[in-house]
Amino acid sequence: SAVISQKPSRDICQRGTSLTIQCQVDSQVTMMFWYRQQPGQSLTLIATANQGSEATYESGFVIDKFPISRPNLTFSTLTVSNMSPEDSSIYLCSVAGGSMNTEAFFGQGTRLTVV
Amino acid sequence: GESVGLHLPTLSVQEGDNSIINCAYSNSASDYFIWYKQESGKGPQFIIDIRSNMDKRQGQRVTVLLNKTVKHLSLQIAATQPGDSAVYFCAENGYNQGGKLIFGQGTELSVKP
Repeated sequence: SAVISQKPSRDICQRGTSLTIQCQVDSQVTMMFWYRQQPGQSLTLIATANQGSEATYESGFVIDKFPISRPNLTFSTLTVSNMSPEDSSIYLCSVAGGSMNTEAFFGQGTRLTVV
Repeated sequence: GESVGLHLPTLSVQEGDNSIINCAYSNSASDYFIWYKQESGKGPQFIIDIRSNMDKRQGQRVTVLLNKTVKHLSLQIAATQPGDSAVYFCAENGYNQGGKLIFGQGTELSVKP
């Protein structure tokens, strides 16, 4: 399985500001994903980070709010823009792996609190 | 829309007993399912998976059962230990969808000593 590191692990931010979350993988991976986990809830896919092209966003998520970069096969960033308290969540990076690329491995997450 | 959901949001068991966590899914075309364990402050950890051409798969102390007729998935944990206390999620993945997962609600398992 891949080892995934996220930075920061947690942050408290003022509303109206932006935070960029970094995700580093210890091996080259084709597919990287960003999820959101709101307090006490399950995980929801935000977008697929594509290397060399724009990210693919799921319904309800837009690039202006959650811009994503994927400069190479081991790194991605997710920015949470113009934050409001409703953005307080855990943001998780994951990569596809396994023999058939169907498994998903997760980082430890970034716990964001917006005040 | 299509979804993956759980019957019980919380489950409390005695140490040493067996635990059963259930999950229902609505997409009959789903062909791959994963169970994850999430401890407080950590990301989800892969436990076990099963493909739609199987109805049972066993791991170390865990068994996943798949009933495609009623679109039901369960995770059985044998001899539950305090270290098993966590939130458990089932997730659905179309076979060609890579790491794109649809997660269920989650069940919090509490193990009493």
